[in-house]
Amino acid sequence: EIVLTQSPATLSLSPGESATLSCRASQSIASYLAWYQKKVGQAPRLLISDASNRAIGIPARFSGSGSGTDFTLTITSLEPEDSAVYYCQQRSNWPRNTFGGGTTVEIK
Amino acid sequence: VQLVESGGGLVQPGGSLRLSCAASGFTFVDYDMHWVRQAPGKGLEWVAGIENAGDAYYPDSVKGRFTISRENVKRYLYLQMDSLRVGDTAVYYCARDFGGGLDPWGQGTLVTVSS
Repeated sequence: EIVLTQSPATLSLSPGESATLSCRASQSIASYLAWYQKKVGQAPRLLISDASNRAIGIPARFSGSGSGTDFTLTITSLEPEDSAVYYCQQRSNWPRNTFGGGTTVEIK
Repeated sequence: VQLVESGGGLVQPGGSLRLSCAASGFTFVDYDMHWVRQAPGKGLEWVAGIENAGDAYYPDSVKGRFTISRENVKRYLYLQMDSLRVGDTAVYYCARDFGGGLDPWGQGTLVTVSS
């Protein structure tokens, strides 16, 4: 089973700052990684597919990078609405999916 | 493109429940579909996936207890949950697999397993 480890668990930042979220896979998953945003009471929203492709309607402030075992989600110019939990998901052994444990982004 | 879940509720341990997901706005038969859950205070957990041709897949945590199915003509996805446990308490989401990720997701339906 492929395990995804996300770090840090929590990020507390001010508006306008940048957030760097990490997702590490227990084995190589090439670029088969997606990122989601989850707000309380809402359904998850796809942000990034295939490690670096921004989903339709997602602001350019969100970007993804990485391949193999190490991946990064970067959010620049943080806004209060970016407060959420962010999850990575591997699709290497599709259709079996695995999610990381999540990173909580708090906007001060 | 819209997905709407229904069928959640309160059930006793050992009981059964069937969730439904109505799809609209896209050619349902062209897509693989999934169920994902989130237990209270926990992260996202994939619980079942089904290819457009009907092959189904499960993680070990629900294999043998949950059954995913679909009716392509009616544009419905289902999750039959048997032998439910307290640990199955969660919000259950259906989601479309477009190949690079899951999008969109339904609004979720709450399943509570308690005596």
